[in-house]
Amino acid sequence: AQSVTQLDSHVSVSEGTPVLLRCNYSSSYSPSLFWYVQHPNKGLQLLLKYTSAATLVKGINGFEAEFKKSETSFHLTKPSAHMSDAAEYFCVVTPFPYGQNFVFGPGTRLSVLP
Amino acid sequence: ETGVTQSPTHLIKTRGQQVTLRCSSQSGHNTVSWYQQALGQGPQFIFQYYREEENGRGNFPPRFSGLQFPNYSSELNVNALELDDSALYLCASSPGAQESHTQYFGPGTRLTVL
Repeated sequence: AQSVTQLDSHVSVSEGTPVLLRCNYSSSYSPSLFWYVQHPNKGLQLLLKYTSAATLVKGINGFEAEFKKSETSFHLTKPSAHMSDAAEYFCVVTPFPYGQNFVFGPGTRLSVLP
Repeated sequence: ETGVTQSPTHLIKTRGQQVTLRCSSQSGHNTVSWYQQALGQGPQFIFQYYREEENGRGNFPPRFSGLQFPNYSSELNVNALELDDSALYLCASSPGAQESHTQYFGPGTRLTVL
């Protein structure tokens, strides 16, 4: 079965320092991968997605992620954290080459310290 | 362009009751998916509707049912409510049912079962 592992349940960084949120997936084929962000009491917002084009994907608000098939990873990075980045981040994989049964990871809570 | 909307925002029910949650999809989208997000967890796929037909279902019992209407809005019905059904219910719409299509999420309905 397809699954997503987010290696850190909580990451804490200082404002202005780099952010790294880790995601590993398992899939029997080359899936589509997404990162979504959820701010408190807000809906899920798409940050970026990978759909078998360029392996380095740029998203909104300065975030980017690199698809590494050999490592089955799709880590999310940002060069410089901002206070407004504090939120819950979800890595998502589509387990089948058809249909849209999104499989979400358990989430990583990002805290940004002043 | 209007995004995905859900109603009601909050709902309190008692065990054994039935509930209907509603979702209006984004303009131009013909696919709606429903997710359950328990506190502190990632969303879990309930089912998807594509052009008024169920197009996939997650590991949820039959007391979770749904409908999609000709205007592509959707309902989620839950019968015989249990305490564990307390969660945030998220609706997402997309322009098609392919695995690479982005899903756009509504703000959710917070259901509390007492």
